[in-house]
Amino acid sequence: DAGVIQSPRHEVTEMGQEVTLRCKPISGHNSLFWYRQTMMRGLELLIYFNNNVPIDDSGMPEDRFSAKMPNASFSTLKIQPSEPRDSAVYFCASRPRSSVGETQYFGPGTRLLVL
Amino acid sequence: GEDVEQSLFLSVREGDSSVINCTYTDSSSTYLYWYKQEPGAGLQLLTYIFSNMDMKQDQRLTVLLNKKDKHLSLRIADTQTGDSAIYFCAETPGGSGTYKYIFGTGTRLKVLA
Repeated sequence: DAGVIQSPRHEVTEMGQEVTLRCKPISGHNSLFWYRQTMMRGLELLIYFNNNVPIDDSGMPEDRFSAKMPNASFSTLKIQPSEPRDSAVYFCASRPRSSVGETQYFGPGTRLLVL
Repeated sequence: GEDVEQSLFLSVREGDSSVINCTYTDSSSTYLYWYKQEPGAGLQLLTYIFSNMDMKQDQRLTVLLNKKDKHLSLRIADTQTGDSAIYFCAETPGGSGTYKYIFGTGTRLKVLA
C-alpha cells in the first residue's frame, strides 16, 4: 500500500495567491482528516470527513480556508487568499472504518510558506 | 479543558534507555497513543494502549499508563541514533468512536553516539 499521498510536498507562494493542497487517502479508508502543524500551536485538526461528508469543520481558521472531498479517493484543502500566517505544515490522515485502536495514518505533509 | 503536556527535549546516549513522559486531562479517553515524527516526515504511529491496561510492551517499546495520575510514558530500550525524532503523545477525549485526537506538543529526543 502506498500510504496516504499528499501533493505538493513543498509550496512557496506569495501573499494573496490561492493555494490548493491535495490528498489521496489509503484505499478503503472512510475517514479523512486535515491537520495543521505549527511551532506555536502544535497539531490542530482543521476538518474531518466521514464517507466523503464534512462532519466537523470547526477547526478551519477562517472563510479563506475551504476543503472538499468529491470522492473516496481524493480531497483538497484550499486557501484563498493566502497570508503569511498560514505558513505551516499541513497533514492529511485517513482511518479505516474498523480501525483497531482507532488509529489514523498520516501522509508526509505539505510544507507551505507564504511570503 | 483538553490538554496533553510533554517536556520539550530529552537527550540520551546511544544504548541507554529513554523515557518520554506525558500527562493528559480526559479520563474518558479510550486510547492513548505514541507517534514518532522524523524530520520532514509525517507522524508514524508507534504504539497505542487501551485505557483499561496498565502496560503494553512491543519489542523495545514499553508503554506505562497510570490512570489515577493521568500519566503516560514511553520507554525505549537500547536507544539508537535512528530513534532521534519528535515523539507525540495523543489521547481521544470523548471515548470510543471519536474523531478527535488531542496531541501533545511533542518531545524532541536526541540520541548521542
